[in-house]
Amino acid sequence: NAGVTQTPKFQVLKTGQSMTLQCAQDMNHEYMSWYRQDPGMGLRLIHYSVGAGITDQGEVPNGYNVSRSTTEDFPLRLLSAAPSQTSVYFCASSYSNTGANVLTFGAGSRLTVL
Amino acid sequence: SQELEQSPQSLIVQEGKNLTINCTSSKTLYGLYWYKQKYGEGLIFLMMLQKGGEEKSHEKITAKLDEKKQQSSLHITASQPSHAGIYLCGAPPTSYGKLTFGQGTILTVHP
Repeated sequence: NAGVTQTPKFQVLKTGQSMTLQCAQDMNHEYMSWYRQDPGMGLRLIHYSVGAGITDQGEVPNGYNVSRSTTEDFPLRLLSAAPSQTSVYFCASSYSNTGANVLTFGAGSRLTVL
Repeated sequence: SQELEQSPQSLIVQEGKNLTINCTSSKTLYGLYWYKQKYGEGLIFLMMLQKGGEEKSHEKITAKLDEKKQQSSLHITASQPSHAGIYLCGAPPTSYGKLTFGQGTILTVHP
């Protein structure tokens, strides 16, 4: 049981480049989400999904796109990277997003935009 | 929207000392999660508190939820270097999908 798997772990981009952060979970969780973590700001929700084909914006969605074609995968796309997107990104999933459900986090993807 | 404020932001203690981290909410707390993060790793779930007055323990870590004060505290007894990391509190979503986290408390334990 791998849990939540994120790739890549590290990435360096130049301003304007695009890339996709991959997230996969093998727990049959309906809810998946992407957070970014910046010093002193904790975790901020970027986008989330409550099931295949359903996504919605979180607190800081600008500059990011997501899709959810399968229950297992929830990729995060940066269409034109900016230095402000330098951060550590975490993917998380849970059985549901209501009530008392524990989020399982991936190990994180550290992105640097030059 | 709900906001969570953690204090202190960072904490340096000597091994063996006790310590407390607080998490205060701007709105009523209907439950609270505590997570721990080691540098370069993901967040590890510690415990979840679901009702006022509830107290849970995991090894030498105890967390309490005070609904009236809209606050939770996490207490570590006889700290060890293995306790070092970032501790984050999180509140269950008050609206669809929006789980809120505090900014984190960085704990350093010197041997």
